[in-house]
Amino acid sequence: EDQVTQSPEALRLQEGESSSLNCSYTVSGLRGLFWYRQDPGKGPEFLFTLYSAGEEKEKERLKATLTKKESFLHITAPKPEDSATYLCAVQAANFGNEKLTFGTGTRLTIIP
Amino acid sequence: GAGVSQSPRYKVAKRGQDVALRCDPISGHVSLFWYQQALGQGPEFLTYFQNEAQLDKSGLPSDRFFAERPEGSVSTLKIQRTQQEDSAVYLCASSLGTAGVYNEQFFGPGTRLTVL
Repeated sequence: EDQVTQSPEALRLQEGESSSLNCSYTVSGLRGLFWYRQDPGKGPEFLFTLYSAGEEKEKERLKATLTKKESFLHITAPKPEDSATYLCAVQAANFGNEKLTFGTGTRLTIIP
Repeated sequence: GAGVSQSPRYKVAKRGQDVALRCDPISGHVSLFWYQQALGQGPEFLTYFQNEAQLDKSGLPSDRFFAERPEGSVSTLKIQRTQQEDSAVYLCASSLGTAGVYNEQFFGPGTRLTVL
């Protein structure tokens, strides 16, 4: 069974204090690993897809990296508007499988 | 362009009532997904359509849950005889391509269902 574990559950940072969020996964064969941002009362907002170990993607203050067992979301010099829950999900490569398996998320708070 | 839309945004039902939740996917998106998100948890997969065909319903928790997408665009998730444990946010997502291609899923705002 596919599993995703995110840590920490919650993280409070001062504005400008860089850090990383972790996503550990087990999957029978990885088609893709996805990062989403979710604000309270809203649906998840797509950030990145990573397909193979060693791949990196960047968007503004965020950089996502992937190994064979985990992914990191690095946040550089965060601002208060980066406060949100960050969700990680995997999609297995089984024939006919399209569903995403999500972790429980990391709730990030950036203090001005 | 317009994103995924869902209606209603909030629904309160008495235990035992039937409810219907609507999803309008992004125009041209072939695949449509329903997820259930409990408070403080990540979304959990319910079911998946490719055009009008329901290809995976392995996540539906009981036979009280039923989904359809008769014309390959709008989808409805129906819950019969609602129970308190059905209280959650129901998320709809759509993606552009067929299996394995352009498979990023874009989510709607969700419908928050509260069963009293």
